Amino acid sequence: QKEVEQNSGPLSVPEGAIASLNCTYSDRGSQSFFWYRQYSGKSPELIMFIYSNGDKEDGRFTAQLNKASQYVSLLIRDSQPSDSATYLCAVSQGNQAGTALIFGKGTTLSVSS
Amino acid sequence: DAGVIQSPRHEVTEMGQEVTLRCKLISGHNSLFWYRQTMMRGLELLIYFNNNVPIDDSGMPEDRFSAKMPNASFSTLKIQPSEPRDSAVYFCASSPGVSYNEQFFGPGTRLTVL
Repeated sequence: QKEVEQNSGPLSVPEGAIASLNCTYSDRGSQSFFWYRQYSGKSPELIMFIYSNGDKEDGRFTAQLNKASQYVSLLIRDSQPSDSATYLCAVSQGNQAGTALIFGKGTTLSVSS
Repeated sequence: DAGVIQSPRHEVTEMGQEVTLRCKLISGHNSLFWYRQTMMRGLELLIYFNNNVPIDDSGMPEDRFSAKMPNASFSTLKIQPSEPRDSAVYFCASSPGVSYNEQFFGPGTRLTVL
């Protein structure tokens, strides 16, 4: 059974701090990794994806991938109250279009002002 | 560009009734995924299609569930007969046909079976 594990939280950080969200996966064949943000009552929204080991930065967000450790993380710098949401980690076995994703159950982030 | 369109947004029905959920893909996308989300089980993949062909339906919970993709842009998920344990939010997502497999989600259908 292929699994994606996340700490359910809640993770609470003050405004302006760095929030660190972590995810581990079981399938060593996994090739692509995604972070989705889901506000309460809304649908998941893609915010980052990463395919290669190392860091990928996009604005205040940085995704980090370590395939040897089967670990992917998301850093949110200068956290804002509007970042309060559930963050879902998703993993795919391939990079081709139409490959299914396996989702973790998500980590709830709360940013206090 | 319009995103993934789902209808209805909310559905309340009684146990035993038939329920049909609908999804329209983003123009130009050719992969479609149906998910179900509950607090207990999180986001579960039910079935997905590539170029109108069902690829993996192993996540469909029972024979009561069926999905079709009659053309390149539209899909239906049917539950017959519905049961209270089917109550969940059902999402449809589409993915483009080239290079990468990012998925874009529709707004979801909140199903309540009484």
